[in-house]
Amino acid sequence: DAGVTQSPTHLIKTRGQHVTLRCSPISGHKSVSWYQQVLGQGPQFIFQYYEKEERGRGNFPDRFSARQFPNYSSELNVNALLLGDSALYLCASSLEQGIYGYTFGSGTRLTVV
Amino acid sequence: SQKIEQNSEALNIQEGKTATLTCNYTNYSPAYLQWYRQDPGRGPVFLLLIRENEKEKRKERLKVTFDTTLKQSLFHITASQPADSATYLCALGSGSARQLTFGSGTQLTVLP
Repeated sequence: DAGVTQSPTHLIKTRGQHVTLRCSPISGHKSVSWYQQVLGQGPQFIFQYYEKEERGRGNFPDRFSARQFPNYSSELNVNALLLGDSALYLCASSLEQGIYGYTFGSGTRLTVV
Repeated sequence: SQKIEQNSEALNIQEGKTATLTCNYTNYSPAYLQWYRQDPGRGPVFLLLIRENEKEKRKERLKVTFDTTLKQSLFHITASQPADSATYLCALGSGSARQLTFGSGTQLTVLP
């Protein structure tokens, strides 16, 4: 059974551009969460979706948005990229909104230049 | 504001010894606490979850304790091996919140 898959694995963008990151959860998992991890720090919560509805939002600006599709895959969009958006973006899926633990993907490494 | 502190950024121990990692928190009443392992360039891997009404959880060579009075969790790896070398993250969650709040991690190195 495939784990959580994220694409692309690496990405380089210029300041001011827009980026879309994609995530496919484990089959049967209806909850998808997005986290941002800056080097040397723990992951920071961005969004959680469950059954295609937003169930939680972290302390990130409105430039960050996400959605979940009928097949439970998800996209994270970031507009007007800043240098500070450079980070590892992690997607995690779970059975019941994470109360039994999350399965993380390997992430998308975003570099903004 | 909520704060999670994991003891020492780096911990070196000799193979075969028990590694003990600490996670302290303030301004938080978690319903559960999770521990993850993260290798360089990879996503975190779930290890154990312990709930607020549980004192201790074990899984093979791993043991987690949770003291809600001290606001502290201890994570033990017994008979440590070089393959256990990684960064270990603790994360808190509550029943109403839809998110995990992570500590910054402890980098464990097990020396052969």
